[in-house]
Parts: sequence; structure tokens; C-alpha cells
Amino acid sequence: DGGITQSPKYLFRKEGQNVTLSCEQNLNHDAMYWYRQDPGQGLRLIYYSQIVNDFQKGDIAEGYSVSREKKESFPLTVTSAQKNPTAFYLCASSIARGPYEQYFGPGTRLTVT
Amino acid sequence: SQQGEEDPQALSIQEGENATMNCSYKTSINNLQWYRQNSGRGLVHLILIRSNEREKHSGRLRVTLDTSKKSSSLLITASRAADTASYFCATDPAQGGSEKLVFGKGTKLTVNP
Repeated sequence: DGGITQSPKYLFRKEGQNVTLSCEQNLNHDAMYWYRQDPGQGLRLIYYSQIVNDFQKGDIAEGYSVSREKKESFPLTVTSAQKNPTAFYLCASSIARGPYEQYFGPGTRLTVT
Repeated sequence: SQQGEEDPQALSIQEGENATMNCSYKTSINNLQWYRQNSGRGLVHLILIRSNEREKHSGRLRVTLDTSKKSSSLLITASRAADTASYFCATDPAQGGSEKLVFGKGTKLTVNP
């Protein structure tokens, strides 16, 4: 089965801790994205990567970091500097950079208390 | 920043009725995409319409695009309870690098059996 996976589905952390969200795809896509979704809101872009070892900040990158060491993997770290980290996080991929259809993972709901 | 804005924010209809959702955007685009999101899940791509196209069909879905009015509509005909979901438009702005999509806040559709 080809697809994009995120783990875990639910994640709970104490304030002040860093946490890493996993995103893996076996679609052989070059581009990968991280979005944040708050209740009743649309998606806001955190980071995106068009190619291995390269990534760019999106609209709300502060308090987040990413890496792209392998084509298949694009983990997102939510650092203690992120002021309001509780949210639903979605990872997506597309075949290449550009206005292509994006394939989404099932999401990770992060709760920080 | 969000470019697409869906209208209405919420829509409740009876099974068998048609559902129409609208999306307005501010700047010129290369294409516009519609996505669906079931509660607590990732987004699923429905349809992409290019700026030089006026109408596209896919099964019970019909999308129109009016670039002079900077708006698009998504029509779901003969709705079913399973169509209950949030629907998002995503635009690919023509200005700047065409590297990312900009999502609206979505229309929450409820189809009552």
C-alpha cells in the first residue's frame, strides 16, 4: 500500500518538553509539508521541503524545527519555544514542487499541558 | 496568510439535496483545488481546476471557476450522509514561487439522513 503515515495519532506532553512528530511516505514524492490546524480553522503551513536536505519556513515556523535527511521522512519537532503547541498536525506530500495534488497523512493530535 | 475564504462556514441539508459551497480568493491563481476532511482525519483531494478552465466534473462533484470574480464553487449533487465533512479550497497563487498551496478555513457540511 502506498501512502503517508503519521505517528502517533494522539500525543500528550508536559509544557517545556520538546516533542517530535513522525511523518513517513512511500509514494516517492519529492515535496513534503507540515501544517497546523486549530479548531474551526483552515490549515497553516509550518515548514515545507522540496528535496532532501533542504527545507523552507512556512507562515508559522517559529517554535518548530524539521529535518529532511531521507526522501521518505520529514519529522517535525515542536520545541518548548512554541507558545501554543496544542493543535492537530498534518503532514502532506506531493510529487514535486509546484501546484500539485497533496496527499495527507491521518494527522497527530498534540496536547500540551 | 489565508487567501481562500469559503462560504458558508456551515451548511446543513437533507440527504438527496444538492450542496453548494463557494470559495473566494484575493490574488491571481494558477489553479484551485478542493479537499475534503472527515472529522479528526487528514484531507483528501477532490478536484483541481486550472485557471484556464471554467468547469470540471468528477462523479457527483461539479466545480466552477470564475477568475474575473476570483471565485469558485463546489456543487455536490444528490448528497448522502457520508458526504458529511468539512470542505476546503486551496489556491496556488500566481505571484511568487509556485511552491505551496494556501488553504481557506473550510465549509462544514452536515447531510442529515
